[in-house]
Order: sequence, then C-alpha cells, then structure tokens
Amino acid sequence: QVQLVQSGAEVKKPGASVKISCKASGDTFTSSYMHWVRQAPGQGLEWMGIINPSGGSTNYAQKFQGRVTMTRDTSTSTVYMELSSLTSEDTAVYYCASTGYSSSRKWFDPWGQGTLVTVSS
Amino acid sequence: QSALTQPASVSGSPGQSITISCTGTSSDVGGYNYVSWYQQHPGKAPKLMIYDVSKRPSGVSNRFSGSKSGNTASLTISGLQAEDEADYYCSSYTSSSSWVFGGGTKLTVL
Repeated sequence: QVQLVQSGAEVKKPGASVKISCKASGDTFTSSYMHWVRQAPGQGLEWMGIINPSGGSTNYAQKFQGRVTMTRDTSTSTVYMELSSLTSEDTAVYYCASTGYSSSRKWFDPWGQGTLVTVSS
Repeated sequence: QSALTQPASVSGSPGQSITISCTGTSSDVGGYNYVSWYQQHPGKAPKLMIYDVSKRPSGVSNRFSGSKSGNTASLTISGLQAEDEADYYCSSYTSSSSWVFGGGTKLTVL
C-alpha cells in the first residue's frame, strides 16, 4: 500500500507562489495516478488536477488552469503542486491523493496528511 | 464543473439508520459507476468508505453501504454509532476526465 507524506505548512503573501511536495513510499509510484485536492477553512473538498507520474501528463480543473502546475520526480517518488498568483481565497489545506495504477480505479486512496497554506499580507 | 449536491446536515440517534444523498448530472453521477464516499473527522484527511457506487474497502464496517439511482447516489449508515459523527463527501468521475466532489454533509449523532 502506497503511503503519502506531504511537506510542511506554508505562509505566503498575496501574489506569491507556493510549491508543495508529496512523497510516496512503495514501488508503484511511477504507475500511480496522483491528484491534488484542496479544502478551504470550513469548506468542502475541491479537486484541482491529476498527474500521471509515469509520463508526466496532467489534467487540471478548469478553475485552476493557468495558475497550477503539477510535476513529478520519479527518482525520489515525489509529486509537486505549484500554485501561483495567490490570494486569500487560496488559503486552504492541500491534499495529495492517489487513484492507483489502473485507469478504471477512480477512487482516492490513500491520502496525504495535508499541507496548510496560509495567504496573508 | 459544478459541485455535486448534498444535504448540509443530517442527524440520527444511536442505532438508527441515516441516508445521505448526492445529486449530480448525467455527465458525472448518472453517467458512470464511479461514485465514491469519504468520511472526514475534524483535522483529519478524508477516509475512503465506499467506491464504485457500492463497494466497501477492506476494513470498513458493513454498516456503510452505497447505491445509485439515475443521477443520485446515496450513502446509508445503519446502526449509527457515536464514532460515525463526521463530515461525509461524495465524489464522481466526470465526462471531462475530471473529478467532482459534493459540498459535504455533517452527520450528527444525537
């Protein structure tokens, strides 16, 4: 079973960018689809996008296109999510989650522990 | 992609059963058997409870069950226990090769 460990909390100023990491254990990293999901304080879950660690292809939610970049480093089994032009509305906990290696596997499991990003002047 | 529609809150007494609905469209819930449900306790990451509409992962109590009719999926929890008090989210794969979540339902065990 893959385990996901995320980087620590971040505090950023409006207009800045943030880059969060998610390190996967286990030998299935390169074949596991990885997602980013965020949750603003007191709000629900919001899907941001997916990356295929094998080839690096991505698909972003329309809301974040042009502002989000998902990358991976297969040598360290780590995926990254960078979000630019931050505003206070980007203050949220950001989770990475996996839908596994099969294209027919459409559920999120496991999840990372979450990374709090606070945007404040 | 609009969020799936869930009731903001539901409640029930210990031992009772409750059902949480999740309404989408033919482009998501109604179009695929790829609905999943997640339980989230305060300050914790979501936990998978149901996948592919009605399948239960290993380790999840059989008190949790899922179903779907048309564009609406449902999560039923029977024999409510205090530990079931949490937020619940549905999710569906969509025709845009993306995913969408419901707004979440707060379950209170009275």
